[in-house]
Amino acid sequence: ELKVEQNPLFLSMQEGKNYTIYCNYSTTSDRLYWYRQDPGKSLESLFVLLSNGAVKQEGRLMASLDTKARLSTLHITAAVHDLSATYFCAVDLAGTASKLTFGTGTRLQVTL
Amino acid sequence: EAGVAQSPRYKIIEKRQSVAFWCNPISGHATLYWYQQILGQGPKLLIQFQNNGVVDDSQLPKDRFSAERLKGVDSTLKIQPAKLEDSAVYLCASSSRVSPGGYNYGYTFGSGTRLTVV
Repeated sequence: ELKVEQNPLFLSMQEGKNYTIYCNYSTTSDRLYWYRQDPGKSLESLFVLLSNGAVKQEGRLMASLDTKARLSTLHITAAVHDLSATYFCAVDLAGTASKLTFGTGTRLQVTL
Repeated sequence: EAGVAQSPRYKIIEKRQSVAFWCNPISGHATLYWYQQILGQGPKLLIQFQNNGVVDDSQLPKDRFSAERLKGVDSTLKIQPAKLEDSAVYLCASSSRVSPGGYNYGYTFGSGTRLTVV
């Protein structure tokens, strides 16, 4: 059974600081998604990582995937208050099992 | 392109009552998913349909939950009877199927139905 774990579960950081959220998973996969969720809202797609070594960047967020280590990271550069939200990684498996299995989530709070 | 439509947005029921949720996926998306998201947790898959057939319902509590996808388009998820622990957001998602052995693409989530059981 696929397990997806994130850490930290909660992160409080000051504006302007850098930090990394980690996503570990237990079964071989080379497809990983990152989502953002604001309180009371649905899931907003941030990144889709399609292969080993994939790196994608959008604004202050950068995601990477290491399939050999079964690890993805979401790096936040010079955080701003608007980034406060919960971030989820989700792993997809190929074939008939293709579906998203979500991590535990990381609640990010950026303080002024 | 229209998104995944869900209704109702909110529902409050008493325990032991029944409730139904509706989902209309993106046109042409063959695969439909129902996820349960309990407050403070990640979404958990309840059931996955490929067209109108069930692919995975291993985490669906079948003694009280049921789902169907008639004609391979709209889907309904029902809970009967509801328990307090069923309080959650129920998210519907759809995706395009690439090919056997491949990955699904274009996962799109609806806004969800927030269920409160009192």
